[in-house]
Amino acid sequence: DIVMTQSPDSLAVSLGERATINCRSSQTILYSVDNKNYLAWYQQKPGQPPELLIYWASTRESGVPDRFSGSGSGTDFTLTISSLQAEDVAVYYCQQYYSTPYTFGQGTKLEIK
Amino acid sequence: EVQLVESGGALVEPGRSLRLSCAASGFTFDDYAMHWVRQAPGKGLEWVSGINWNSGSTGYVDSVKGRFTISRDNAKNSLYLQMNSLRAEDTAFYYCTKSHDGDFHDASDVWGRGTMVTVSS
Repeated sequence: DIVMTQSPDSLAVSLGERATINCRSSQTILYSVDNKNYLAWYQQKPGQPPELLIYWASTRESGVPDRFSGSGSGTDFTLTISSLQAEDVAVYYCQQYYSTPYTFGQGTKLEIK
Repeated sequence: EVQLVESGGALVEPGRSLRLSCAASGFTFDDYAMHWVRQAPGKGLEWVSGINWNSGSTGYVDSVKGRFTISRDNAKNSLYLQMNSLRAEDTAFYYCTKSHDGDFHDASDVWGRGTMVTVSS
């Protein structure tokens, strides 16, 4: 199974500042045939189901604010929130969908400093 | 509006069975692969199982292989998860999800609100 490891486990950032969450896979999730990274980022707020933010590592889902961006390739990926807003307080998960089981990272809890 | 509504969650004793259902609406169900993802109370997300559009391809996490069976009925716009030989560690919220672009290897762009399964004597 591909192991997904996020860092840090928790993060406190001031409003308006940048937040960066990292995700590493235990093996490459870049598929050479289509040159796509099979990685998604989700946001989960308390008491709610997760919501898709980013897919193919860097493609923003429709309706997601452009302060959210994804980058990286191969085994190392980053979710960046350029200017933290109060409504961004949540737990963030990465997920690989390269091979089953489609494993998630352990989650990163983002709070306001 | 695209919507997924799970049902069937309950409190059951270890070793018993349960069948979860997911009713889909607002999209062409048989164009999309579907998945089940679970979340134990206060814990992270775990992909449980997935099925492609025509049931020709399925996948399971190792911990449920041989005990859980995913299926779908495209005529009824419904997804199912048959759960047998339930264990305490299966206790979780179970979410039904829709694949983003239809493929099996795909992110989940729509999630239901989940149904709670509690396995306890």
